[in-house]
Amino acid sequence: QSALTQPRSVSGSPGQSVTISCTGTNSDVGYYDYVSWFQQHPGKAPKLMVYDVHKRPSGVPRRFSGSKSGNTASLTISGLQAEDEAAYYCCSYAGRYTHVVFGGGTKLTVL
Amino acid sequence: QVQLQESGPGLVKPSQTLSLTCTVSGGSISSGDYYWSWIRQPPGKGPEWIGYIQNSGSAYYNPSVKSRVTILVDTSKNQFSLKLTSVTAADTAVYFCAREGRYSYGTFDNWGQGTLVTVSS
Repeated sequence: QSALTQPRSVSGSPGQSVTISCTGTNSDVGYYDYVSWFQQHPGKAPKLMVYDVHKRPSGVPRRFSGSKSGNTASLTISGLQAEDEAAYYCCSYAGRYTHVVFGGGTKLTVL
Repeated sequence: QVQLQESGPGLVKPSQTLSLTCTVSGGSISSGDYYWSWIRQPPGKGPEWIGYIQNSGSAYYNPSVKSRVTILVDTSKNQFSLKLTSVTAADTAVYFCAREGRYSYGTFDNWGQGTLVTVSS
């Protein structure tokens, strides 16, 4: 069982927006502003899409945005495109001894 | 652009030791701005952080595997390595090496392609 809870699946049509939630505790998501999100296509390595809750690495489209409220972080993808279909994982810093924990992943289907 | 590449056996017998190496190219592993991590992902599940090492050689491990894991760095070869002892079927996973920003926890911005390690007799 993963430390962070994500919905197993979400879906949306091209052009629409979807939001993926990531629920932790007041020892990880709720305490630190170190939440990151990764996109993973089948058979590939995860790709960093958002870090420090809402920052985007160079080259990641502005369609991807992150936020946090309390113990829940969210990734919103607007203007869905076919290539966005993938698994998405959240990650949060959880203190010096645990370091980071991941979510179980959400499969995004673009209808 | 920094690239990471895992190497090592794809099959390990139960109770034996899993050994993997990550070779870093396009950048120096001696940079103090990064942690060098091992992360694994069991089939169909989310990733699990195993541990990281700094350029100084100081290593930190996930409490769930701390008693069985050792991560070392070889700056002369620009490599770092993972050893996991007393493996069981539960250790079957794709193992990734990754670079994490030292001042931004969880910012794994460069990953190797991953290598599947199966624990089976």
